[in-house]
Amino acid sequence: SQKIEQNSEALNIQEGKTATLTCNYTNYSPAYLQWYRQDPGRGPVFLLLIRENEKEKRKERLKVTFDTTLKQSLFHITASQPADSATYLCAPLPGYSSASKIIFGSGTRLSIRP
Amino acid sequence: NAGVTQTPKFQVLKTGQSMTLQCAQDMNHNSMYWYRQDPGMGLRLIYYSASEGTTDKGEVPNGYNVSRLNKREFSLRLESAAPSQTSVYFCASSVIVRSGSRDEQFFGPGTRLTVL
Repeated sequence: SQKIEQNSEALNIQEGKTATLTCNYTNYSPAYLQWYRQDPGRGPVFLLLIRENEKEKRKERLKVTFDTTLKQSLFHITASQPADSATYLCAPLPGYSSASKIIFGSGTRLSIRP
Repeated sequence: NAGVTQTPKFQVLKTGQSMTLQCAQDMNHNSMYWYRQDPGMGLRLIYYSASEGTTDKGEVPNGYNVSRLNKREFSLRLESAAPSQTSVYFCASSVIVRSGSRDEQFFGPGTRLTVL
């Protein structure tokens, strides 16, 4: 069955450093991959989408890579700030329109210490 | 523009009771979704509605029913609540689910449900 794995352990990073979060998937060939941020007690908020034919996507301090050979996406936050502390979810998606195939990872909790 | 709203924010039920979770969006989105989120499990899709008048099962539909009342509203009903349904429930919407496009989902604030 399809499986999405994100770092199960919380990630603690010193402010100013680059945080790197991993999303691995198995038994799946997504055409897209989305990343969301979730703060405690709130719903997820969309950050970035990357397509299978895009190796890298950037948005301000965020960078996402998508390696279909390794079946992995990496999510980077450069010059990290305490305000970046949150849980980050990845969601690999098929190319066809079927919401039943939307599977989210369980998320990685990121903590940026001053 | 409120986005996606959910009511209630918190609810405690006894086993066997029924209730309906309400969700509304004011972004004129076609598609709406219901998820549950449990610790360590991530978001799991319960039901979705690709467009007004249609609903389909997701990954974990057992014990739930849904109604797409109109384009704005999508409700989730628990007919006979069980302790295993204790969770945080999120409603989401997106512009459209169509081939070749993967629009972002907009999530509501969630409903925290406890079944005793």
